[in-house]
Amino acid sequence: KAGVTQTPRYLIKTRGQQVTLSCSPISGHRSVSWYQQTPGQGLQFLFEYFSETQRNKGNFPGRFSGRQFSNSRSEMNVSTLELGDSALYLCASSPRDRGYEQYFGPGTRLTVT
Amino acid sequence: GQQVMQIPQYQHVQEGEDFTTYCNSSTTLSNIQWYKQRPGGHPVFLIQLVKSGEVKKQKRLTFQFGEAKKNSSLHITATQTTDVGTYFCAGGTGNTGKLIFGQGTTLQVKP
Repeated sequence: KAGVTQTPRYLIKTRGQQVTLSCSPISGHRSVSWYQQTPGQGLQFLFEYFSETQRNKGNFPGRFSGRQFSNSRSEMNVSTLELGDSALYLCASSPRDRGYEQYFGPGTRLTVT
Repeated sequence: GQQVMQIPQYQHVQEGEDFTTYCNSSTTLSNIQWYKQRPGGHPVFLIQLVKSGEVKKQKRLTFQFGEAKKNSSLHITATQTTDVGTYFCAGGTGNTGKLIFGQGTTLQVKP
């Protein structure tokens, strides 16, 4: 079974721009979560989607948003990029509807200049 | 807000020595999960503990969940160079997919 895939793998953007990241979960997984990983803050939860509904949201500003499609694929969007948004963005999918073990994708490395 | 603290932040051991990382939550958890991230890689699921006082083993790895479901530990016996990486605990609360990750313990193993 193919793993979680994320596109693009690397991205360089300028302050003020917006960015959209994509995640395809493992086939059959309906729950998709997004995390931000930085050296200083570690792994921080962004949001979780299940059946196209946002079920949980972390403590991030409204510039961070996401959505899930009927095929469970998910996208996250960051508007008005700031330098501090530079991070590894990880998507994880789960086979159960109540967030049991999560399978992470390789991540998208976003650099904001 | 809910926090999960993990110690130590770094651990350097000689190959063959044991290693332990500890995780403490500010609130009672419904489950705790452990992940390993190799340098340049992504977190890989190791195990989930759900029951109070639960102990699980995977070869040389032993995982424990505290009686109060607020703390956990991972112990590796006789470390090998393949154990190198960062080990994260992640706490779940209620019926939710939201995980609160500890800061991780980075393990270096000297051959």
